Amino acid sequence: AQSVTQLGSHVSVSEGALVLLRCNYSSSVPPYLFWYVQYPNQGLQLLLKYTSAATLVKGINGFEAEFKKSETSFHLTKPSAHMSDAAEYFCAVLSGGYNKLIFGAGTRLAVHP
Amino acid sequence: DAGVIQSPRHEVTEMGQEVTLRCKPISGHDYLFWYRQTMMRGLELLIYFNNNVPIDDSGMPEDRFSAKMPNASFSTLKIQPSEPRDSAVYFCASSLGLAGGRNIQYFGAGTRLSVL
Repeated sequence: AQSVTQLGSHVSVSEGALVLLRCNYSSSVPPYLFWYVQYPNQGLQLLLKYTSAATLVKGINGFEAEFKKSETSFHLTKPSAHMSDAAEYFCAVLSGGYNKLIFGAGTRLAVHP
Repeated sequence: DAGVIQSPRHEVTEMGQEVTLRCKPISGHDYLFWYRQTMMRGLELLIYFNNNVPIDDSGMPEDRFSAKMPNASFSTLKIQPSEPRDSAVYFCASSLGLAGGRNIQYFGAGTRLSVL
């Protein structure tokens, strides 16, 4: 069965520092992987998506993620954190039948001055 | 497009009352999903529709929950009777399809339900 594990429920960084949010997946089929962001009191917004076209995926707001099959990972990074990046981030994988999104537990990112 | 529209944004009700949550998907999207988000269980898929037909409702927690999609532009999630443990944020999402570039799900802003 497909699943994702997000390491670290809370991550805190300084403004301007590197952001690294970890996601490991388990999939019995070639995975479709996603990162979503949720700002307070809002719905989820797609940051980026992996579909096997390229292992390094660039998303919105300066975020990118690298698919590493050998490590079954899809970590999200941003070179320089901004205060506006404070939000909750969810990694997700499509189920084996490609009909359901399976979400991780989420990582809450705090950015301090 | 205005995106996925959910109403109401907030709902406070008393235990035992009927609650109806509403969703308007993005025009042209063939798939509609209902999710529930809680601190304890995270984001859970409750049910999804394809072309207005319910395909998988295995995530619906109990018979107290029901969902309908009478047409391509409207869906409801109903809880009757409501219980305090139903308190959560309920999200609706829609997508063009399931495969390839069509499987991006777009989420509404959610309905925050509080059952007292």
